[in-house]
Amino acid sequence: DQQVKQNSPSLSVQEGRISILNCDYTNSMFDYFLWYKKYPAEGPTFLISISSIKDKNEDGRFTVFLNKSAKHLSLHIVPSQPGDSAVYFCAASEGSNYQLIWGAGTKLIIKP
Amino acid sequence: NAGVTQTPKFRILKIGQSMTLQCAQDMNHNYMYWYRQDPGMGLKLIYYSVGAGITDKGEVPNGYNVSRSTTEDFPLRLELAAPSQTSVYFCASSYSRDNPTEAFFGQGTRLTVV
Repeated sequence: DQQVKQNSPSLSVQEGRISILNCDYTNSMFDYFLWYKKYPAEGPTFLISISSIKDKNEDGRFTVFLNKSAKHLSLHIVPSQPGDSAVYFCAASEGSNYQLIWGAGTKLIIKP
Repeated sequence: NAGVTQTPKFRILKIGQSMTLQCAQDMNHNYMYWYRQDPGMGLKLIYYSVGAGITDKGEVPNGYNVSRSTTEDFPLRLELAAPSQTSVYFCASSYSRDNPTEAFFGQGTRLTVV
């Protein structure tokens, strides 16, 4: 059973527009959520995180929204740039458990 | 500053062979992790360590062993390689006690068992 789901394997967005990547989870005990970005032949890079006590966290062009009642989070990238083309992973953890549960990733393609 | 360095980058093993995947970090991080990523899937935690001399199992530890004799190094040992261990392996490290999951990753080791 997948506790963290990214239902869109890929997403194509025009340069300069908003990219919205979605993530759903089933475990209500998750209290910390992260987004990682991955380029081909490289390891993932931490992007942004959010604690369950918040519903929004912003860092430059990147904003993560958390809707606990819907068990849903989303990553907004505004404006989208060609360098944002990558695979984005959503991940979650519970309490002091160091085990991150990862989604399968969404490949974002930014069109010029 | 090299960050997290993994060796080798690629390896082909025959069924039943053994090997060690090397991981070293030069950031003086206490926390270190080994993940595997299968095609089309998210990463799964194999083992992790919260400091030298301390290791613990993750989600998928069977068929693997680790050691952490120094802060810098965290090798992953595969004994009796099986085709199911064909995967991309990532080592990671982090420093934050509050957010140990905000980790820095190596470039990965692509392992094929035939």
